[in-house]
Amino acid sequence: SQQGEEDPQALSIQEGENATMNCSYKTSINNLQWYRQNSGRGLVHLILIRSNEREKHSGRLRVTLDTSKKSSSLLITASRAADTASYFCATDAEFSQAGTALIFGKGTTLSVSS
Amino acid sequence: DVKVTQSSRYLVKRTGEKVFLECVQDMDHENMFWYRQDPGLGLRLIYFSYDVKMKEKGDIPEGYSVSREKKERFSLILESASTNQTSMYLCATLRNTEAFFGQGTRLTVV
Repeated sequence: SQQGEEDPQALSIQEGENATMNCSYKTSINNLQWYRQNSGRGLVHLILIRSNEREKHSGRLRVTLDTSKKSSSLLITASRAADTASYFCATDAEFSQAGTALIFGKGTTLSVSS
Repeated sequence: DVKVTQSSRYLVKRTGEKVFLECVQDMDHENMFWYRQDPGLGLRLIYFSYDVKMKEKGDIPEGYSVSREKKERFSLILESASTNQTSMYLCATLRNTEAFFGQGTRLTVV
């Protein structure tokens, strides 16, 4: 399996605190993405970082990428109750010359309490 | 806005039944995917398609097949449903590098 791993599996914090999630992957990549899933729904794209980038920001989100360690982290600053969701990292994987798919990790479940 | 629609939110089927899960997209995307999601295992890729009538096996294709007769529709078929196929099934399309997901089908096989 090419599936990556997120760490921790679950994270509980208070509103206003920062939340950090980590992702490790197995193969070389062109880019890495983070997605969010509210309970029982489909995933929504948050942010993409390319393999030649080390850090990227979008609003309260900060993503870092270390290709030498095959790892990435997602930081959510000043968390809100509405940030409660599961977060997944995704990498591109070539299955054949014609077929490239996104492979998702196992996810981190974030719970933000007020 | 990209819209990916899965035909059912909830489905209950009996062991041995042939099950069809339908997914339709409205944005003319070439790539479409089927994942299953289970607690503690995350999303696992079952099959994907990069063009009409073209398909590729993902990480866990056993027990499943797919059909893509038209660009906008990608069907996942459980030839003979088993209880270990009880899961959340997610369909997605890809535009450039970004995936767009349907709302998911929670399938229970009894």
